[in-house]
Amino acid sequence: DAGITQSPRHKVTETGTPVTLRCHQTENHRYMYWYRQDPGHGLRLIHYSYGVKDTDKGEVSDGYSVSRSKTEDFLLTLESATSSQTSVYFCAISPPLNTDTQYFGPGTRLTVL
Amino acid sequence: KQEVTQIPAALSVPEGENLVLNCSFTDSAIYNLQWFRQDPGKGLTSLLLIQSSQREQTSGRLNASLDKSSGRSTLYIAASQPGDSATYLCAALNAGNMLTFGGGTRLMVKP
Repeated sequence: DAGITQSPRHKVTETGTPVTLRCHQTENHRYMYWYRQDPGHGLRLIHYSYGVKDTDKGEVSDGYSVSRSKTEDFLLTLESATSSQTSVYFCAISPPLNTDTQYFGPGTRLTVL
Repeated sequence: KQEVTQIPAALSVPEGENLVLNCSFTDSAIYNLQWFRQDPGKGLTSLLLIQSSQREQTSGRLNASLDKSSGRSTLYIAASQPGDSATYLCAALNAGNMLTFGGGTRLMVKP
């Protein structure tokens, strides 16, 4: 158990509304990631972070922003949600002594109507 | 850009059968190849990690192999059980700590 929680676990929202998903970890790891999972596409990296206020874009970053003001929290924001952002979102962390692997949170199922 | 493909997308086998899941990748400059398990509605659980210098890794009834030159990895599951039913995902790690995932193989083991 890598001590990763995600909130909310489920959310239904309407097109055009802002949405923020939270990833919280209890182990003080530097590396954190946000992925989305869609049928037929596996998991795709949205954004990642190497530390507080240190973030970078992944493969599918358009329409998403992130923030990391504390080591334990990594926030993913959809500024104006669209139906194409309906997906399951996973947060992951890499432990400091083994950055080659990642441990995943339970996921957030987001539906944009 | 790395691309990872898993075939088949779904597989159904009777209990007790040995089976092989396939994973192929286009960029051989990987640091490692990882296999994950995902149960319905759950996150991913790491099963095996093969470093680029290794040929295989074993954990219990699971054995994963890696052939970088051909861009392939296989996950062998021996004596399959109904509890093995899940989606299995492979992922290649490239420079920048970037994990690229395949689409997964959904396995059903029937009693």
